[in-house]
Amino acid sequence: GQNIDQPTEMTATEGAIVQINCTYQTSGFNGLFWYQQHAGEAPTFLSYNVLDGLEEKGRFSSFLSRSKGYSYLLLKELQMKDSASYLCAVRDHGRGSTLGRLYFGRGTQLTVWP
Amino acid sequence: DGGITQSPKYLFRKEGQNVTLSCEQNLNHDAMYWYRQDPGQGLRLIYYSQIVNDFQKGDIAEGYSVSREKKESFPLTVTSAQKNPTAFYLCASSITGQGILGGYTFGSGTRLTVV
Repeated sequence: GQNIDQPTEMTATEGAIVQINCTYQTSGFNGLFWYQQHAGEAPTFLSYNVLDGLEEKGRFSSFLSRSKGYSYLLLKELQMKDSASYLCAVRDHGRGSTLGRLYFGRGTQLTVWP
Repeated sequence: DGGITQSPKYLFRKEGQNVTLSCEQNLNHDAMYWYRQDPGQGLRLIYYSQIVNDFQKGDIAEGYSVSREKKESFPLTVTSAQKNPTAFYLCASSITGQGILGGYTFGSGTRLTVV
């Protein structure tokens, strides 16, 4: 299967910047997604990268390096409501993979303190 | 508005009983998925379907069954053969293309507890 690794927990204070890293190994990379999930709720889409570089969307940015199998999610001007789990997911169209399926990391639980 | 609906939100089951979780979408998505989420385990794929009347086992299909008789509906049955069914179950759907549109839309989840 695919190996997707991200830290289990992170903490930060309100107003700060935090970077959540994700490393992956795939045989046929075809896109990386970041989702936010509050406790007991559904994951919601944050960002998508398929080419190398930075994608910016308001307070959230996501970076991808395909050669390194690496991505990060950058959250700026942290707010209390950003306390949630952040899921890294990779789409793999390589041999033995199912077309369109996403493979998820275990999620990074971010706690924002006042 | 289009979306994906799971019901019920909370479900209690006695040991030895089968129970069916509902998932309905009106997004006209071809693909639908069932995931199980346990603390510290991330999302694990149970079953998926890419077209009507066809579905495939995921990574942890034992003790579960599904059907896909309509494009909009993908119910999951948790059978008595599932030894540890207490978990949070998420249904998702997507188009089967590439790009950003191929990401998932999730339902709000069903929390199943065996009592």
